[in-house]
Formats: sequence, C-alpha cells, structure tokens
Amino acid sequence: KAGVTQTPRYLIKTRGQQVTLSCSPISGHRSVSWYQQTPGQGLQFLFEYFSETQRNKGNFPGRFSGRQFSNSRSEMNVSTLELGDSALYLCASSLVTGDEQYFGPGTRLTVT
Amino acid sequence: SQQGEEDPQALSIQEGENATMNCSYKTSINNLQWYRQNSGRGLVHLILIRSNEREKHSGRLRVTLDTSKKSSSLLITASRAADTASYFCATDPIKAAGNKLTFGGGTRVLVKP
Repeated sequence: KAGVTQTPRYLIKTRGQQVTLSCSPISGHRSVSWYQQTPGQGLQFLFEYFSETQRNKGNFPGRFSGRQFSNSRSEMNVSTLELGDSALYLCASSLVTGDEQYFGPGTRLTVT
Repeated sequence: SQQGEEDPQALSIQEGENATMNCSYKTSINNLQWYRQNSGRGLVHLILIRSNEREKHSGRLRVTLDTSKKSSSLLITASRAADTASYFCATDPIKAAGNKLTFGGGTRVLVKP
C-alpha cells in the first residue's frame, strides 16, 4: 500500500500571499489530520477531517483552513501568509478513530 | 500549546546501550503513542498503548504507561546508530471527538557508533 503523500514537498512564498498544500491519505483511510511543526512551538494540531467534515480544530487563526474531498484527499490553505507561518506542515491519515496515525513526509513552507 | 513534557530533551549514548525517555501529560487519555522523526522528515509511528494497558513491547522497544501519574516511558534496548532521531510522545485526549493528537516537545537521541 502506498503511504501518505504530500505535495509540494518544498514551497517558498512571500508575505501576504496564500498557499494550498495537498495530502493524499493511505487508501481506505477516511481520517486526515494536519499538524504544523516549528522549532519554537513544536508539533501543533491544526485540524482533522473525516468523510469531508471537519471534526476537530486546533487553536489557529482563521487564515488556516482546510477541506476534504469525497476521495479522502485533503487540502489546507493558508491565506495572507506571515513570516511565522514558516514551518513543516505534516499530514496524517488513520483508518479508525483512536488508532495510530500515518504521517506523510511533510511540506516545508518558507515565507520570506 | 503542548500537553506533554518529555524528559530528557536530549540524550547521547553509545551504540549497544539502552535509551530511556519519559513523557508526562496533563489530561485523561484514550491512548498514548510514540513516534520517531529523522531530521525534520515525517513522523514514523512506533507504538500505541491504550489507557487500560500498562506495558507494551515491540521489537527493541518497551513502553510503559502509568495513568495515575499521567506518565509514560519509552525504552530502546541495544541501541543502534540508526536509532538516532527525535522521539515524540503524543496523547489522544478523552474529550476529543475524533483524532486530535497532542505532542510533547520531543527527545533528541544521538547514538554514537
């Protein structure tokens, strides 16, 4: 089975721009979660989608949004980028609630 | 904010030695999971221990969970250079509907050959 894939792997954007990151879960997995990792704040939960519905949301501003499609693929969008949004964005999928999560390689976003 | 604290923050050992790291958390949980991360890449799931379990083994890994103390430990026996990585504990809180892991700050482990 193919693992979780994320595209793009690296991205450089300018302050004020917006960005869309994509995540394809493991086949059959309906839960997709997003996490942000920075040296200062560590790994922080952004949101989780299950069957196209946002089930959980972390403590991030409204500039961060996401969605999930009927094939379970998910996208997250960050609008009006700030320097502090530079981070590794990780996507994870799981088969059932409360089960282990399988992470993708991440998208490294640099905001200049 | 992070739910867990990991201790130590960094660990340096010789190949063949055991490595132990600890994780403390604050709220009641469904399960606790340990992950490994190599050099800013994606996380690799190591082991999941449920709140009604006290100890779990997987290969050279041993995890304990003490829900009364809200703490867990990960032991890596007979370490290898390839075990060099950052290790994170993550908790699945009871009150969260669905998947919502809260990660600790991680322990950076260096295994010297």
